[in-house]
Formats: sequence, structure tokens, C-alpha cells
Amino acid sequence: DAEITQSPRHKITETGRQVTLACHQTWNHNNMFWYRQDLGHGLRLIHYSYGVQDTNKGEVSDGYSVSRSNTEDLPLTLESAASSQTSVYFCASSDRRTGTRSYEQYFGPGTRLTVT
Amino acid sequence: LAKTTQPISMDSYEGQEVNITCSHNNIATNDYITWYQQFPSQGPRFIIQGYKTKVTNEVASLFIPADRKSSTLSLPRVSLSDTAVYYCLVRRSGAGSYQLTFGKGTKLSVIP
Repeated sequence: DAEITQSPRHKITETGRQVTLACHQTWNHNNMFWYRQDLGHGLRLIHYSYGVQDTNKGEVSDGYSVSRSNTEDLPLTLESAASSQTSVYFCASSDRRTGTRSYEQYFGPGTRLTVT
Repeated sequence: LAKTTQPISMDSYEGQEVNITCSHNNIATNDYITWYQQFPSQGPRFIIQGYKTKVTNEVASLFIPADRKSSTLSLPRVSLSDTAVYYCLVRRSGAGSYQLTFGKGTKLSVIP
């Protein structure tokens, strides 16, 4: 069965370190998204990609970067981790072929990141 | 995109019907109303989407009045497993944009 996975599921890192969170989907979806979820804020969009070599900034992109070298993966990098980036991170994907339900995003299980 | 407003939290007893109302006063002609559900420690998942009148699937019903300035998600005979956060979203179709904007959602607590 197709799925979307995230790794690691839990990560503790120190302030100033570079951290990369992995996201891998086997849906063959063109669209991929990264969100962060904090108490009181719901989900906020960090970066998104509509295809290979395409990346776009979302609402809260400062301090984060992504790259899309293939269809299946969209890794999220925190260049220099800060305590304010302690959060739960969700990756999602959606199809955008004509006739598909492009509004239906499939979410991964999340990565809980703690920056000390 | 139209801003959505929904209650922060709701409580319900098992077996009752739950209605969660969302207001979206500035909804545009080519906007759709979409609802997602998020269980604790999981990512959100799509529940239902509609444009006008009523839409029903195996999980919920969505009622949208003629002016489309609000919508109501109806969950029939809730159980403890329906305890979750429910998000109302307005998305624009045909704009080549596939992003979704999540608000804070409504936290539904089902009581035994």
C-alpha cells in the first residue's frame, strides 16, 4: 500500500546544529508540503513543492529550507536550530493530475523535534 | 482566501449527534469548504468537502446554506473514538494552488 513516512519520529538537538527531517511518499504525488504544529497555532505551512526542482516558501519559512531532487522525497533542513523551532513537524502530499482530488492531502505521522 | 471562524472546543456525550459550525463570510464563488480531522498524535486526515447544499459520506455530513457564508459539519451518533480536532478550511479551486490553510480547529471531546 502507498504511504507517507517521516523520520526520525523523535529528535532532540542542540541550539545551532543543522537538522534534517526526512519525508518519503510512495503515492507518486507531485505536491508535497511541510507544516509545523504548535499549541495554540494549529498547522502552519513552512515550505511546499509542486514537483521535482520546484520549491516555494510558506507562511513560516524563515530558518528552514527544502530541496526536491525526486518525486518521492522532500527533506526539511533547519540550518541552525533554535529553541523556537521546537515543534511537531508534519509532511503531507497530494495529487494534482486532472480528475484527482488534489484538495486531499495525505499526512505523515509527524516528527517531534526538541531544540535544547 | 476567506477567513474561517469555528468554536475552539465542544463537548458531547456518546451517541449524540454533533454539529460543528464554521463561518466564512468572505467566501468567493470558486471556493470550496473542506473539513479535516486530527486525532491526538497523528496527522490530519480529510473528512469531507462541499460547495453548496448537502454532502454526505460514510463519516459525516456537510450542510452549506445558499449564501455559503457558513457550513456545518454533522457527526452522527459520536463515539469516544471521534474525540479529535476538526478543521474547517476554505480552498480555492482552479487557481493552480494546492495549499491548504489550517486554522486552530475545534477540539471535540466525547464523554462516556
